[in-house]
Amino acid sequence: QKEVEQDPGPLSVPEGAIVSLNCTYSNSAFQYFMWYRQYSRKGPELLMYTYSSGNKEDGRFTAQVDKSSKYISLFIRDSQPSDSATYLCAMKGSSASKIIFGSGTRLSIRP
Amino acid sequence: NAGVTQTPKFQVLKTGQSMTLQCAQDMNHEYMSWYRQDPGMGLRLIHYSVGAGITDQGEVPNGYNVSRSTTEDFPLRLLSAAPSQTSVYFCASSSGGFGEDYEQYFGPGTRLTVT
Repeated sequence: QKEVEQDPGPLSVPEGAIVSLNCTYSNSAFQYFMWYRQYSRKGPELLMYTYSSGNKEDGRFTAQVDKSSKYISLFIRDSQPSDSATYLCAMKGSSASKIIFGSGTRLSIRP
Repeated sequence: NAGVTQTPKFQVLKTGQSMTLQCAQDMNHEYMSWYRQDPGMGLRLIHYSVGAGITDQGEVPNGYNVSRSTTEDFPLRLLSAAPSQTSVYFCASSSGGFGEDYEQYFGPGTRLTVT
């Protein structure tokens, strides 16, 4: 079993919809939770990160962590065609240097 | 400020050849790392460095060597290329601890094919 599981999609939604992207994990030592966006044939870009449980909001993006369920989510409000990309979750422990990535979810926003 | 640069962008190698993938950053970041990305596998850590002269292995280090003689540069060496090393390679640098000022950047990637 992988330490971090992510549905590969593809996920296709109409413009303006709320998008929910999710990851589950098995290692209870993970304390930092990250979301990356990767456009086709480009390097990943760090969108946001959270520490431990709770929510974090940045513009149209909200990251949520539920450590009791070992489940993290990224919500995108008012989705735009420019949000079409692969979204990767990632996580690491508080003392660990290694970041473990999910396999990514491909998202397409239809105009 | 160029961020993270990688060269070459594309490379084709024959089995058994060796080569070095270059990575450089101009942000004075202490932490640098190399990942490979394969379809359906996400990013897997090959090697990382927490500062000049300090390197350590990641998840998939076999067949790769690294060194970090300066803060700016972190080259990745393929010792004897194998078809299983066909992948897209990304270098990343970050500012260290996950504080208020944390930043992390990836390079544009090197697409390597081993025949």
